[in-house]
Amino acid sequence: EVQLLDSGGGLVQPGGSLRLSCAASGFTFGDYDMDWVRQAPGKGLEWVSRISGRDGSTYYADSVKGRFTISRDNSKNTLYLQMSSLRAEDTAVYYCAKDRGPWQSRHFDYWGQGTLVTVSS
Amino acid sequence: EIVMTQSPATLSVSPGERATLSCRASQSISRNLAWYQQKPGQAPRLLMHTASTRATGIPARFSGSGSGTEFTLTISSLQSEDFAVYYCQQYNNWPPLTFGGGTKVEIK
Repeated sequence: EVQLLDSGGGLVQPGGSLRLSCAASGFTFGDYDMDWVRQAPGKGLEWVSRISGRDGSTYYADSVKGRFTISRDNSKNTLYLQMSSLRAEDTAVYYCAKDRGPWQSRHFDYWGQGTLVTVSS
Repeated sequence: EIVMTQSPATLSVSPGERATLSCRASQSISRNLAWYQQKPGQAPRLLMHTASTRATGIPARFSGSGSGTEFTLTISSLQSEDFAVYYCQQYNNWPPLTFGGGTKVEIK
């Protein structure tokens, strides 16, 4: 059974940093591209970032480029999102999401339960 | 960036009735469209990809159609568990991957 467990969210001050993690199980993690998608309170879904399973290529939304870094450790079956220079508008539930596959389908068949990031002083 | 526009924002439907949800892309995306269902407090669930292919385990009362810029998700006979928010997502031109603003299907 595929499982994605998001963690690392919390309250952080504007300008601060936070690292999110997503522990994956039930599939061959390194074979799949993985993404982060966020949802501000009461709002819709916003794609944040993607990392290739094949070569580690990374992609970002303009709203987070230069501030967020996606990475993965295939030996630990874990996806990360390092967030820095956080702003109030980054407040959201962050979901990790698995690409349906194979080979960059670019839509998501499994999602984590989400972890809430609140940026506030 | 491709902008996805969903309509209506809210759809009031009685159980057993048909629901038709629309999604429009700002430029052609071929059939590279997915639909998701999200219930309060839960993560989204994949319903449909490639515009009309049901994801694993999705009941046959859900169907998708369209290509280019106009797409439709139809729920043939609404069940109580279908009341939720539905999002479309294009994956033809990226980055970024983009979602519509959502349609909330509520009980009439």
